[in-house]
Amino acid sequence: IAGITQAPTSQILAAGRRMTLRCTQDMRHNAMYWYRQDLGLGLRLIHYSNTAGTTGKGEVPDGYSVSRANTDDFPLTLASAVPSQTSVYFCASSDSRTGELFFGEGSRLTVL
Amino acid sequence: GQNIDQPTEMTATEGAIVQINCTYQTSGFNGLFWYQQHAGEAPTFLSYNVLDGLEEKGRFSSFLSRSKGYSYLLLKELQMKDSASYLCAALDSNYQLIWGAGTKLIIKP
Repeated sequence: IAGITQAPTSQILAAGRRMTLRCTQDMRHNAMYWYRQDLGLGLRLIHYSNTAGTTGKGEVPDGYSVSRANTDDFPLTLASAVPSQTSVYFCASSDSRTGELFFGEGSRLTVL
Repeated sequence: GQNIDQPTEMTATEGAIVQINCTYQTSGFNGLFWYQQHAGEAPTFLSYNVLDGLEEKGRFSSFLSRSKGYSYLLLKELQMKDSASYLCAALDSNYQLIWGAGTKLIIKP
């Protein structure tokens, strides 16, 4: 049982480079989310998707974009990375019956 | 604005009981979640409360008072493996989760 798979697990990136974090789920959940988690702060929502073909902006969307071509995949792209985007990124999906979130293992991104 | 408050850090002794409090202010309310997060790992679901009262699940219990905007997570018979961060999150009227910064629980032998 895979659940949610994120890749890469960690990455060091030069500022100005483009980067895509991948996220795939096999639970057929409609809703998916991208969060960033920084020390001392709660999880902050970057973008979300309530169903395939639709996306929405969360609390901190600037500098990030997402797409949802199908139910399973929800990639997050940093068009031109900046040091303030150094963080741990979590992809999640939610069970529409219970509202419970299932998280991927996280992607630790360092922008130098 | 919307806000979740929980203590930054707590320390407890193995075998004891600890209560982690959470207060919330949200635009509407559709339930309160508790998640556990071990260092370097993803959060995992612990509990969900939408009605007032206590929900018990093994060594862990969660309480909600909607009128007071208050919840707590109660951990009994503490074990060393319970050392983790505990995240409180409230579901607002748009069914968006508002997260607290988490409470780091340190268990001492």
